[in-house]
Amino acid sequence: DAKTTQPPSMDCAEGRAANLPCNHSTISGNEYVYWYRQIHSQGPQYIIHGLKNNETNEMASLIITEDRKSSTLILPHATLRDTAVYYCIALRRGGGNKLTFGTGTQLKVEL
Amino acid sequence: AAGVIQSPRHLIKEKRETATLKCYPIPRHDTVYWYQQGPGQDPQFLISFYEKMQSDKGSIPDRFSAQQFSDYHSELNMSSLELGDSALYFCASSFGTGNYGYTFGSGTRLTVV
Repeated sequence: DAKTTQPPSMDCAEGRAANLPCNHSTISGNEYVYWYRQIHSQGPQYIIHGLKNNETNEMASLIITEDRKSSTLILPHATLRDTAVYYCIALRRGGGNKLTFGTGTQLKVEL
Repeated sequence: AAGVIQSPRHLIKEKRETATLKCYPIPRHDTVYWYQQGPGQDPQFLISFYEKMQSDKGSIPDRFSAQQFSDYHSELNMSSLELGDSALYFCASSFGTGNYGYTFGSGTRLTVV
């Protein structure tokens, strides 16, 4: 699976949009981009995933560049409860592939 | 909705003792993954099972073993515990190849003293 690169930390004001970038320049055509987050000491939580089209669900939006070398997770109205470590993972679906966690982004949402 | 159930939530063991962690996947999920997360670290993959067969293996010490049973629950057995085994242990489950996401349990916090 392709390596991903994320900034180690970001701050966001409550109520504002949080835009978390991820670089995956070596991603292959059959690898999806998955986003998970981990609130302190809790189990990682699935947020969203996509292949090449932009995706949106009740939690977030995922914007993938046309060349698929980078993506941005958008939390439209961040709250204090969104403070967590966010992981961007490139994953080839199939064959029971496991999620491999790299060093994610610690997002701190402040008043 | 049913989630992944892990037991116990907390466990304290002495060095050289044995521990068994249990994981009950979401109903109809047939794949289980185990992760270890040390203090201040990211989750590290240990081992996975698909349809009761080991499907992948990560950095799991030889002192650890695991299996998936006929009802799809899984157990992680840890022997000759060391202080460095103190960590959060997460189990995740998925249906088949995880195309619909992986769901994690709340974890077991193991403390070795």
